[in-house]
Amino acid sequence: QQQVKQSPQSLIVQKGGISIINCAYENTAFDYFPWYQQFPGKGPALLIAIRPDVSEKKEGRFTISFNKSAKQFSLHIMDSQPGDSATYFCAASVEGGGADGLTFGKGTHLIIQP
Amino acid sequence: NAGVTQTPKFRVLKTGQSMTLLCAQDMNHEYMYWYRQDPGMGLRLIHYSVGEGTTAKGEVPDGYNVSRLKKQNFLLGLESAAPSQTSVYFCASSYSRGFMNTEAFFGQGTRLTVV
Repeated sequence: QQQVKQSPQSLIVQKGGISIINCAYENTAFDYFPWYQQFPGKGPALLIAIRPDVSEKKEGRFTISFNKSAKQFSLHIMDSQPGDSATYFCAASVEGGGADGLTFGKGTHLIIQP
Repeated sequence: NAGVTQTPKFRVLKTGQSMTLLCAQDMNHEYMYWYRQDPGMGLRLIHYSVGEGTTAKGEVPDGYNVSRLKKQNFLLGLESAAPSQTSVYFCASSYSRGFMNTEAFFGQGTRLTVV
């Protein structure tokens, strides 16, 4: 049973464009939603995270949009650069109980074409 | 500052062989995790530990065992390797569980092939 559904599986964006990756979750107890970035041969690393009491969080060119009623959240990469090419994972977890660790989406392989 | 270190980085096993993957963290984190990553499957939790001497099952624990004898180390064992265990294994650690701004730090991964 997949608790976090991520789309698309792969994405190609031109340099300077906007990359958008979407995730939907089922467990309403989730209250922490991070995005992880993984370069080839490396482990995932935290990129940006949001809690459900805000609808948007921005850090540089990266923005998370969160829709609590729809149980959806998305990552927007503005002015996408070739260095952003990586696999992106959305995730969710529950504070104080429930499944331990992070529940991950299946990942999006992003390619930014120069 | 090494962070999370996994040993070995690569390994080829024959079916039925056993091995242990070692994870070491130097951040004094309480929580440690083992994930496996397979194409199109994302990261799936195998086992985790909430402190020294504790372990618990995750989403896909069958065929694996773990031990956390020291706070800084988390070992993942395969008693009788099977081709279905061919995967990239990631260890991670975090200061606490599920709180906002709690970052999970990942190792560089161990690529295991079972033939």
